[in-house]
Amino acid sequence: GEDVEQSLFLSVREGDSSVINCTYTDSSSTYLYWYKQEPGAGLQLLTYIFSNMDMKQDQRLTVLLNKKDKHLSLRIADTQTGDSAIYFCAESDYSSASKIIFGSGTRLSIRP
Amino acid sequence: GAVVSQHPSRVICKSGTSVKIECRSLDFQATTMFWYRQFPKQSLMLMATSNEGSKATYEQGVEKDKFLINHASLTLSTLTVTSAHPEDSSFYICSADESRGKAETQYFGPGTRLLVL
Repeated sequence: GEDVEQSLFLSVREGDSSVINCTYTDSSSTYLYWYKQEPGAGLQLLTYIFSNMDMKQDQRLTVLLNKKDKHLSLRIADTQTGDSAIYFCAESDYSSASKIIFGSGTRLSIRP
Repeated sequence: GAVVSQHPSRVICKSGTSVKIECRSLDFQATTMFWYRQFPKQSLMLMATSNEGSKATYEQGVEKDKFLINHASLTLSTLTVTSAHPEDSSFYICSADESRGKAETQYFGPGTRLLVL
């Protein structure tokens, strides 16, 4: 079945770049997503990428996709304290685009 | 952007009682809504897909008689946890699909924290 894996924790210094990595197993994944969840809150879609793309940039966020290795990463430039949250990698496929499979989430903490 | 609300945001109940959680799309119509469950420090697990006017589709391992879903209108889906037990304590999150079949237009509610004593 589908599986999405992420490391559980990441700590970075304020102002540095954060890179959160994710691997997935479903080769039919069509859409890959990054969601942000702040404490006690729901999920906010940060960005997404289609499987026929290898990079997408949106302000401080850069998504890189290596389809051959089924590896997705999210880079946050100039990390700020407000970026502290859990970041979920997720995927869905064309046949069921609304059914999203989530990774376990990476807790990003920012140190001064 | 599209807004999805959940009510209540937090509920504490006694073991054996039933709890209803509402999910509303406030400024759009949602033919499809989804219910997720999130355990502490874990991922979201899809429980069921709720389609307006028809029966919900449950994921494997989710008891449909335990978690009753009603999608009575294009803006409201409800999840009822029947005869709740402490192991049902969790964070329940719904999402609503603004555009049929497009996951990037799926908006999440703020979640409902259920604690069963």
